[in-house]
Amino acid sequence: EIVLTQSPGTLSLSPGERATLSCRAGQSVSGSYLAWYRQKPGQAPRLLIYGASSRATGIPDRFSGSGSGTDFTLTISRLEPEDFAVYYCQQYGSPYTFGQGTKLEIK
Amino acid sequence: EVQLVESGGGLVQPGGSLRLSCAASGFTFSSYWMSWVRQAPGKGLEWVANIKQDGSEKYYVDSVRGRFTISRDNAKNSLYLQMNSLRAEDTAVYYCARPLTRGWVWDAFDIWGQGTMVTVSS
Repeated sequence: EIVLTQSPGTLSLSPGERATLSCRAGQSVSGSYLAWYRQKPGQAPRLLIYGASSRATGIPDRFSGSGSGTDFTLTISRLEPEDFAVYYCQQYGSPYTFGQGTKLEIK
Repeated sequence: EVQLVESGGGLVQPGGSLRLSCAASGFTFSSYWMSWVRQAPGKGLEWVANIKQDGSEKYYVDSVRGRFTISRDNAKNSLYLQMNSLRAEDTAVYYCARPLTRGWVWDAFDIWGQGTMVTVSS
């Protein structure tokens, strides 16, 4: 199985700032089958990005994804209050695996 | 509205059994592979199992294979997870999840239920 390592573990920023989250895979992710999710406390995860760079339905353009192979990035251009949450990357080859998460907290 | 609603969670003793259900609505349930994903308290997400549209193929994470069984009833638009020989480490919120693309076995999950809590403790 493909191990995903997210960094940093915690990111402290202020509203309006830019956030850059990293996801590194232990081996190449075929077809760029890499997704990003945001999870707010007490809620289910919500799909933000799939195919490494495609935004899911209803996701604002301040969210962008990039990368291929083993290195992927989620960028949030201008942080809104609702963006302070935990973010997970996922590769959807066989079998599914998730990263351990990055907590984005208010500075 | 596309929706998944889980039920069946609760407190169970180690070695016990529990059956989770997930009711789907607002989409053609029989056209999608479906999955269960769990999240231990304060921890990350872990995929548990998935099942093909007609139930003929199933995949499991190693830690539950032989103890858990995923199934579905397309006539009732329902997904199930039968959990036997439960262990403390199975304690988690269990989500059912639908992949983004109809017919794809491995895909990002665009629809999630609200989750149901399973606690394994004596």
